[in-house]
Amino acid sequence: NAGVTQTPKFRVLKTGQSMTLLCAQDMNHEYMYWYRQDPGMGLRLIHYSVGEGTTAKGEVPDGYNVSRLKKQNFLLGLESAAPSQTSVYFCASVRSGSSYNEQFFGPGTRLTVL
Amino acid sequence: RKEVEQDPGPFNVPEGATVAFNCTYSNSASQSFFWYRQDCRKEPKLLMSVYSSGNEDGRFTAQLNRASQYISLLIRDSKLSDSATYLCVVIDSGYALNFGKGTSLLVTP
Repeated sequence: NAGVTQTPKFRVLKTGQSMTLLCAQDMNHEYMYWYRQDPGMGLRLIHYSVGEGTTAKGEVPDGYNVSRLKKQNFLLGLESAAPSQTSVYFCASVRSGSSYNEQFFGPGTRLTVL
Repeated sequence: RKEVEQDPGPFNVPEGATVAFNCTYSNSASQSFFWYRQDCRKEPKLLMSVYSSGNEDGRFTAQLNRASQYISLLIRDSKLSDSATYLCVVIDSGYALNFGKGTSLLVTP
């Protein structure tokens, strides 16, 4: 049981390049999330999904797109990277049901946009 | 956006000391409350949930005060391994977490 994994762990992009971050979970969780964490800002929700085939915007969705084609995977795309998207990106998942359920986080992807 | 506020610290305490963190939240309708721990350059991990009646897990005690809209975390007999950032987390509705910016704790020998 690997929990939540993220690919890649590190990436450096040039402004305008595109990339996709992959999040995978093997816990059969319904809900998945993408957050970004910046110094002094805490974690902020980008997009989330409450089930396969469904996605919704979070607090800071601009410049990002997501897809949840398979229950175990949640992809985060940057179509045209900007320096403001330099951040640490965390994926998380939670079993549906009570709001007391623990969210499990992946190890993070450190992205630098030059 | 609903606010979750924490003192960023850092809190520097000697081993064996007792230290307490507070966190305030702005939405009186908030449903669930947690403390997460985050080590440097690592992902957040659940430390403990916070229940209305308060709860204790070993050296850690969490309290919720709905009237004043704050939660607290007390760490007794601090260990070097307790050094980390402690994140206050509030769920207003649904399942999206609202994070505080974290309180940094450094326990020194």
